[in-house]
Amino acid sequence: EVQLVESGGGLVQPGGSLRLSCAASGFTFSTYDMTWVRQAPGKGLEWVTYISSSSHTIYHADSVKGRFTISRDNAKNSLYLQMNTLRAEDTAVYYCARLSSWWEVLWGQGTLVTVSS
Amino acid sequence: EIVLTQSPATLALSPGERATLSCRASQSVSSYLAWYQQKLGQAPRLLIYDASNRATGIPARFSGSGSGTDFTLTISSLEPEDFAVYYCQQRSNWPRTFGQGTKVEIK
Repeated sequence: EVQLVESGGGLVQPGGSLRLSCAASGFTFSTYDMTWVRQAPGKGLEWVTYISSSSHTIYHADSVKGRFTISRDNAKNSLYLQMNTLRAEDTAVYYCARLSSWWEVLWGQGTLVTVSS
Repeated sequence: EIVLTQSPATLALSPGERATLSCRASQSVSSYLAWYQQKLGQAPRLLIYDASNRATGIPARFSGSGSGTDFTLTISSLEPEDFAVYYCQQRSNWPRTFGQGTKVEIK
């Protein structure tokens, strides 16, 4: 089955760190660009970061630049999001998504990150 | 950063009615605009990409139009499963951005 499964969410204190993972299966992960998109509780979608299939090209939203790092391990069919210096406003469901023709076509179910003391 | 403004914020319609949703960009995005549908507790689903192309498996009642700064998503006849939140997104410039969403609710 073609799917993406996120993990690693949870409760973290402000200023803390968390690493999210996204496990891909059912397709050739190494040939697809990937993104992370988040959604704060009751709010809209916010694009977070992008990584090309080879990891050569990376973009981040200004809101996370310098704090979040996207990476991937094509041998493990996995995408990662390292989140440092977390703030209350980073509280959200984080989705990983696979790009096809430059659009987010395949989405995971999301993992909830809560930043609170 | 390109700002996408969606209108209206909420659209109250009955099944069988036509829905017209708008997305306006703060600068031209050419045809690099997509529409997503999101139901409560679910991940978004791609409906329309590059302004007017239906994604795989999307019913023909969904159509998209526009270019430059003004875009429209039309649902020709609302089915019960179409009541949801709809977002537009642009990929013309980094960072990619989403509109704030339009909720289509049952009247």
